[in-house]
Amino acid sequence: DTAVSQTPKYLVTQMGNDKSIKCEQNLGHDTMYWYKQDSKKFLKIMFSYNNKELIINETVPNRFSPKSPDKAHLNLHINSLELGDSAVYFCASSQGLASGRRTREQYFGPGTRLTVT
Amino acid sequence: QQPVQSPQAVILREGEDAVINCSSSKALYSVHWYRQKHGEAPVFLMILLKGGEQKGHEKISASFNEKKQQSSLYLTASQLSYSGTYFCGTETLTGNQFYFGTGTSLTVIP
Repeated sequence: DTAVSQTPKYLVTQMGNDKSIKCEQNLGHDTMYWYKQDSKKFLKIMFSYNNKELIINETVPNRFSPKSPDKAHLNLHINSLELGDSAVYFCASSQGLASGRRTREQYFGPGTRLTVT
Repeated sequence: QQPVQSPQAVILREGEDAVINCSSSKALYSVHWYRQKHGEAPVFLMILLKGGEQKGHEKISASFNEKKQQSSLYLTASQLSYSGTYFCGTETLTGNQFYFGTGTSLTVIP
């Protein structure tokens, strides 16, 4: 069984479109994350979320919004896509904030390569 | 806020040793280490919580100097399978902020 899964694996779309990336974890974790990895390989945290708290990286444009239908899912919705949004997006999960633990090893999904043309 | 890693890149021959450093400007609660192979997701290696504590994972170990807000990852007798990009991740002492470091590309050649 895949611990953290993402769909789609590849996404090619045009500027101005709206798209979503889905993420699911079956580890029973209470915290999920979205990361953006650019061409220079920097891993930038975009959001961390549990059922009580959404923490947004202040540098993330408000065109990006996380949507969590339940504890095992955290989808990423992107409005009005721009060329600079092209990157690999990783979802991750951990035990964390909601369980009161501070140490939180993270388990990553396989990534979604987004290309905006 | 993003921790800085050094070196940015290193090339080793099989059997050689390497050290990767991670330095933060903020007081830290913990340091994590991850490895990402080309085209794959980052994979967790270890967490260090206490100052001066060393932890090991096969032939890979790490130390954490909380006074200096630094951590080092030690790879001994490197193998081809060690190739990849290594990231430290730091959790701040206050504010629960987590950031990945700038990354170190490690290539092991025969």
